[in-house]
Amino acid sequence: DGGITQSPKYLFRKEGQNVTLSCEQNLNHDAMYWYRQDPGQGLRLIYYSQIVNDFQKGDIAEGYSVSREKKESFPLTVTSAQKNPTAFYLCASSLDLRQGKNNEKLFFGSGTQLSVL
Amino acid sequence: DAKTTQPNSMESNEEEPVHLPCNHSTISGTDYIHWYRQLPSQGPEYVIHGLTSNVNNRMASLAIAEDRKSSTLILHRATLRDAAVYYCILRPFIGNSGYALNFGKGTSLLVTP
Repeated sequence: DGGITQSPKYLFRKEGQNVTLSCEQNLNHDAMYWYRQDPGQGLRLIYYSQIVNDFQKGDIAEGYSVSREKKESFPLTVTSAQKNPTAFYLCASSLDLRQGKNNEKLFFGSGTQLSVL
Repeated sequence: DAKTTQPNSMESNEEEPVHLPCNHSTISGTDYIHWYRQLPSQGPEYVIHGLTSNVNNRMASLAIAEDRKSSTLILHRATLRDAAVYYCILRPFIGNSGYALNFGKGTSLLVTP
């Protein structure tokens, strides 16, 4: 089936540790995104990438890093600089938005719950 | 960016129609209105979108006010599986600039048997 796969579903981080969340898609989408969701809150954008080897900061990029070496993959690293990392992390993808079409859908993965030990 | 306003929560009986309102009084002429929903412990899923005309699909209907300052998502017969948080989002014109869908807190829909 085509879709977005996030792994792991649950992840625990120790103090001072970096952890990496995986996001893979086989939808042949150019654009990929990472969102963070805190309990009872909406989604906030961390990073997005419109094309391979390019990515942009979102609203809350501090303490996070990403890479986009392959079209299918957009891993997110939560660094030790992120002091409050406990949250539900969602990855999404869509067609290339730079074509000027503004009706493209986002497709989301099932999320990774990150907790601090 | 133009913002949307939705009620925090709504309740419906099973098999009854549900009308979920959204206000977007500062919408621009090129903003599409998108609706997504998020079931518990899952990622959001696309429901429907529109620009000016009312839209129907297998999941729902979208009614857009003539002045486009408000819209309503209509679930024709609510089921227990429709219990979710529903997000009303404006999707701005992108061009070559950056992009993000801004998900607010949405409306939490409770469906009771």
